[in-house]
Amino acid sequence: DVQMTQSPSSLSASVGDRVTITCRASLGISNYLAWYQQKPGKAPKLLIYTASTLQSGVPSRFGGSGSGTDFTLTISSLQPEDVATYYCQNYISAPLTFGGGTKVEIK
Amino acid sequence: QVQLVESGGGVVQPGRSLRLSCEASGLTFNSDDIHWVRQAPGKGLEWVVLIRNDGSRKYYADSVKGRFTISRDNSKSTVYLQMNSLRAEDTAVYYCARFVSGYGLDWWGQGTLVIVSS
Repeated sequence: DVQMTQSPSSLSASVGDRVTITCRASLGISNYLAWYQQKPGKAPKLLIYTASTLQSGVPSRFGGSGSGTDFTLTISSLQPEDVATYYCQNYISAPLTFGGGTKVEIK
Repeated sequence: QVQLVESGGGVVQPGRSLRLSCEASGLTFNSDDIHWVRQAPGKGLEWVVLIRNDGSRKYYADSVKGRFTISRDNSKSTVYLQMNSLRAEDTAVYYCARFVSGYGLDWWGQGTLVIVSS
């Protein structure tokens, strides 16, 4: 099974800051990597798939990169509405494991 | 508009059973793989199980293997999750979601809460 490790587990940044979240897979997963955003009390929402492709309707300040084992989610200019927990997930094969999550707050 | 609606959650004693349902609308249900993902209170997301579009293949997380069974009725656009021998650690919000190959889980239900407690 592929293990997904996210860091940091939480971060606090100012509005307008650039925010970076990393996700590492225990085995190479090519680009079968998705990022989700979950706001409190809500279901997760798909942000990025194939490691770097923005889902329709997602603001362009979100970006993803990486391949193989190391991946990054970047928010180029943090906005108040981006307060949420972000998860990476591998979908190369079952089990489709999630990272532990990164909680993003506004400083 | 795609919609997934979970139901069947509630409070159940340890060792007992519960069946969750996930009813879909607005999509070509018999073309879609459906997954269940759960989230324990205050914890992260845990992938639980998937069922292929035609029900031919199912994959379970080790934590539920042998206790949970997934099935689907494409004529009713519904996926079922039969949960037996429930444990306190199964307490969570259970989400169903549509999986699209190459995309991930692109549509999610609102979740249904399962509490396992005596």
